[in-house]
Amino acid sequence: AQSVTQLGSHVSVSEGALVLLRCNYSSSVPPYLFWYVQYPNQGLQLLLKYTTGATLVKGINGFEAEFKKSETSFHLTKPSAHMSDAAEYFCAVSPGGSYIPTFGRGTSLIVHP
Amino acid sequence: GAGVSQTPSNKVTEKGKYVELRCDPISGHTALYWYRQSLGQGPEFLIYFQGTGAADDSGLPNDRFFAVRPEGSVSTLKIQRTERGDSAVYLCASSYRANTEAFFGQGTRLTVV
Repeated sequence: AQSVTQLGSHVSVSEGALVLLRCNYSSSVPPYLFWYVQYPNQGLQLLLKYTTGATLVKGINGFEAEFKKSETSFHLTKPSAHMSDAAEYFCAVSPGGSYIPTFGRGTSLIVHP
Repeated sequence: GAGVSQTPSNKVTEKGKYVELRCDPISGHTALYWYRQSLGQGPEFLIYFQGTGAADDSGLPNDRFFAVRPEGSVSTLKIQRTERGDSAVYLCASSYRANTEAFFGQGTRLTVV
């Protein structure tokens, strides 16, 4: 079975500041890991994913995440926040080889001018 | 169309009524998924189709929920005897084949009054 814990239902940053959204997972088998973004009134969009290989993965819009097996973490970062980054972010995990993810509860990113 | 299309975008129904939610996947995508997203929660897996058959329906909460995909393209999620607890956004996603990236529609917001 798989599960995801996203620490913090809301994260607030200033424009230009570092973005860090935390995700810890539980999986009984080697996982695939995902970050999705949901803008208001839009569908979920895949930001990035880890399947195998390099543990630091880069996604769209300057986001990246690092798979740390020892910490069972897959935190999402961006060096400098933009106002347009304000959205709901979901971390998700699936058993390796599957693209049917189990989602976390989401973190709302608020960006202040 | 270019993306996954879900209709209607909003549906209000009375408790006890029957509803149907439609999903038009991206053309050529063989895999189709239904998720449910309740307020303040992440999406919750309901059912996965590969072609015309339900490959995994383990997420359907009870026998009031049923989904079909008779020709391997459009899918309909059917809910009988709706309850207020069924109120949620129902998300559909499709992928070219199993174990490839899934693309999500904008969802149908179901409100049971």
